[in-house]
Amino acid sequence: DGGITQSPKYLFRKEGQNVTLSCEQNLNHDAMYWYRQDPGQGLRLIYYSQIVNDFQKGDIAEGYSVSREKKESFPLTVTSAQKNPTAFYLCASSIALSSGRDSYNEQFFGPGTRLTVL
Amino acid sequence: GIQVEQSPPDLILQEGANSTLRCNFSDSVNNLQWFHQNPWGQLINLFYIPSGTKQNGRLSATTVATERYSLLYISSSQTTDSGVYFCAGMDSSYKLIFGSGTRLLVRP
Repeated sequence: DGGITQSPKYLFRKEGQNVTLSCEQNLNHDAMYWYRQDPGQGLRLIYYSQIVNDFQKGDIAEGYSVSREKKESFPLTVTSAQKNPTAFYLCASSIALSSGRDSYNEQFFGPGTRLTVL
Repeated sequence: GIQVEQSPPDLILQEGANSTLRCNFSDSVNNLQWFHQNPWGQLINLFYIPSGTKQNGRLSATTVATERYSLLYISSSQTTDSGVYFCAGMDSSYKLIFGSGTRLLVRP
């Protein structure tokens, strides 16, 4: 089955601890993204990656870090510097970031990880 | 940056009713997507629709790019249509900008 997987589904951490969220895709997509969703709100972009070994900050990157060592994997680390880490985190991918080909930048989402910092 | 405004913010329907959800953009977008977020948080792709009209079963969408808005039509609504509907537009940096969503409840 082709798709995007995120793990774990629920994550609880103590304040001050770093935590890493997993995102894997087997769609052979070049571009991957991390979003944050707070209750009753839309999604906001944290980081995105067009290609392996390259990534860019989104609108709310402070307190987060990412890596893109493999095409299929884009893990997100929530560091202790993130002031309000409790949220729902969604990973997405698309064939490409930008393209003249119709729908190549259509984004597809994983099931999400709910992070609660106690 | 681009602002995305969705209306109405909340909508309650009786099963079988039709509805129209609207999405307005403050500036031109490169593409536009509509999503349905189910109660478990999963975002389901409904339409990729930079312009024109598309239909998929009871759902259809129209984007008028020159006037910076998009509409999502739901006909003969069912209880399984309940959830939150998001539109998102891609800005000039190819980032998706989301609206705050329309929360739909369909009653049996």
